[in-house]
Amino acid sequence: KAGVTQTPRYLIKTRGQQVTLSCSPISGHRSVSWYQQTPGQGLQFLFEYFSETQRNKGNFPGRFSGRQFSNSRSEMNVSTLELGDSALYLCASSLGGDYNEQFFGPGTRLTVL
Amino acid sequence: DQQVKQNSPSLSVQEGRISILNCDYTNSMFDYFLWYKKYPAEGPTFLISISSIKDKNEDGRFTVFLNKSAKHLSLHIVPSQPGDSAVYFCAASEGGTYKYIFGTGTRLKVLA
Repeated sequence: KAGVTQTPRYLIKTRGQQVTLSCSPISGHRSVSWYQQTPGQGLQFLFEYFSETQRNKGNFPGRFSGRQFSNSRSEMNVSTLELGDSALYLCASSLGGDYNEQFFGPGTRLTVL
Repeated sequence: DQQVKQNSPSLSVQEGRISILNCDYTNSMFDYFLWYKKYPAEGPTFLISISSIKDKNEDGRFTVFLNKSAKHLSLHIVPSQPGDSAVYFCAASEGGTYKYIFGTGTRLKVLA
């Protein structure tokens, strides 16, 4: 069974630009969550989607948005990039019920110059 | 407000000995806890989980203990192997929220 895939793996952008990251979950998984990882901060929860609906979101500004498609693939968008947005962005998929473990992709390393 | 805390940023253990990684939480509504291992340039890998109705769960060399009254969980690795060297994250979730809160991680180094 193929794992969670994320594209691109690396991205360099400049301040003010916008970026879209993509995540393909494990086949059969209907939930996709997004996290931001920065040094010393651990994984910060961005949002979670299930069957194209956002069920929860973290404490991030509105510049961070996401969506999920009918095939469970998900995209995350960050507009008006700031230097502090440089981070590893991880997506995780699960079956979507309570008490289901999440399986992570390798992440997208975003650098904002 | 950090609801899940891993107060030890790093830990070194001799090969063959026990590794004990600790995690504290503040939200009494958390009822599901997980441990993940992360190698550089890879996403976190699920290790083991425990629900709040249990106080212990074992899987091979890995055992997780949950002390609900102290709001504390720990991961024991016995025996530790050099391949266990990685960053370990604990995570917690409250049923119905579909949101996992992660700690900041503990870097484990197992010395050969």
